[in-house]
Amino acid sequence: KQEVTQIPAALSVPEGENLVLNCSFTDSAIYNLQWFRQDPGKGLTSLLLIQSSQREQTSGRLNASLDKSSGRSTLYIAASQPGDSATYLCAVSYGQNFVFGPGTRLSVLP
Amino acid sequence: NAGVTQTPKFQVLKTGQSMTLQCAQDMNHEYMSWYRQDPGMGLRLIHYSVGAGITDQGEVPNGYNVSRSTTEDFPLRLLSAAPSQTSVYFCASRQYRTEQYFGPGTRLTVT
Repeated sequence: KQEVTQIPAALSVPEGENLVLNCSFTDSAIYNLQWFRQDPGKGLTSLLLIQSSQREQTSGRLNASLDKSSGRSTLYIAASQPGDSATYLCAVSYGQNFVFGPGTRLSVLP
Repeated sequence: NAGVTQTPKFQVLKTGQSMTLQCAQDMNHEYMSWYRQDPGMGLRLIHYSVGAGITDQGEVPNGYNVSRSTTEDFPLRLLSAAPSQTSVYFCASRQYRTEQYFGPGTRLTVT
């Protein structure tokens, strides 16, 4: 069965720290992997998309990497800010089927 | 562009009632999907469409119907609501192998 896990489930850091969120998937035959953030009571906002042929993508303070052979992706957030507080979800695409991880709840303390 | 829009934002139904959740996108995306999000279960795919007139089942399709008569619209129908369908419903759209864009969600309670 295709499963996606995310570690840690929750993370609390002081403002300014660099941090890493992890996403693992059991089936490496992926099309692509997408990272989202979700604020409480809101929809999902796309952060980064990595195609299966890529190793990493960058957008501002965010950098996502992909290692298909080990079934892992990481989301690196540089110089964290209180506005980064949200739940971060990774979603793995297997063609028409998207499998979501349970998310990491991030709190950045002022 | 409005992106992906969903109506209503909130809905309360009694068991056995029917209703349609509306989803529309203005990005000319071929692919559209419906998900439900439940605490402890994450987001799960209900139904999806790869173009007008083409739909297929996802992981949890029972109790839901969809149709896709236009590229823009992808309504989700609950034929006979059950308390187990209490959830937050999200619609999403994309092009082939590109990023998904999500709507703001519909929070549904079935009593």
